[in-house]
Amino acid sequence: SQTIHQWPATLVQPVGSPLSLECTVEGTSNPNLYWYRQAAGRGLQLLFYSVGIGQISSEVPQNLSASRPQDRQFILSSKKLLLSDSGFYLCAWNIGQVNTEAFFGQGTRLTVV
Amino acid sequence: GENVEQHPSTLSVQEGDSAVIKCTYSDSASNYFPWYKQELGKRPQLIIDIRSNVGEKKDQRIAVTLNKTAKHFSLHITETQPEDSAVYFCAASSNDMRFGAGTRLTVKP
Repeated sequence: SQTIHQWPATLVQPVGSPLSLECTVEGTSNPNLYWYRQAAGRGLQLLFYSVGIGQISSEVPQNLSASRPQDRQFILSSKKLLLSDSGFYLCAWNIGQVNTEAFFGQGTRLTVV
Repeated sequence: GENVEQHPSTLSVQEGDSAVIKCTYSDSASNYFPWYKQELGKRPQLIIDIRSNVGEKKDQRIAVTLNKTAKHFSLHITETQPEDSAVYFCAASSNDMRFGAGTRLTVKP
């Protein structure tokens, strides 16, 4: 069966520090991968999505970036965190066409202090 | 890109009443419309979905309707129970998957 792993679960980082969140999917090949951010009490904002290795689409200009070095690995990064980067980050995947059920990771609660 | 709007942002009902959440989308190419439920501190999970070739779908107490012409779709929960309390998200999918802002549903016993 397919599973998605996202880590860490919680993270507290100072302003200006770098960020690296990792997401991996097991049990499938060539998944579509997504990074979403959920601010407190808000909706799911699509940050990046990828339909294949090295193919990243960015939805919101910001100081975050994403990479997909391997088929089932999706990394969210920042060189210098801002206070406004605090939030709940969710990785998700679906298979085949993008119009299928998306499965979410457990999420990472990031607090920038 | 796709833009999904969802309302209301909060909804409070008495146990046993019905709850309706509505969403609109902008991209006529969107053809898949899932609904997710997110309990506090947990990941969103799919509760029901509908494709653009279907107008209505029902699963026990939950139903979803889709009006492609008007580009809107709705979630209906009947006989609500306290455990239905959560945040509900609609989404629309064409080239990617975009979510609405969410509805916080509270079912009062």
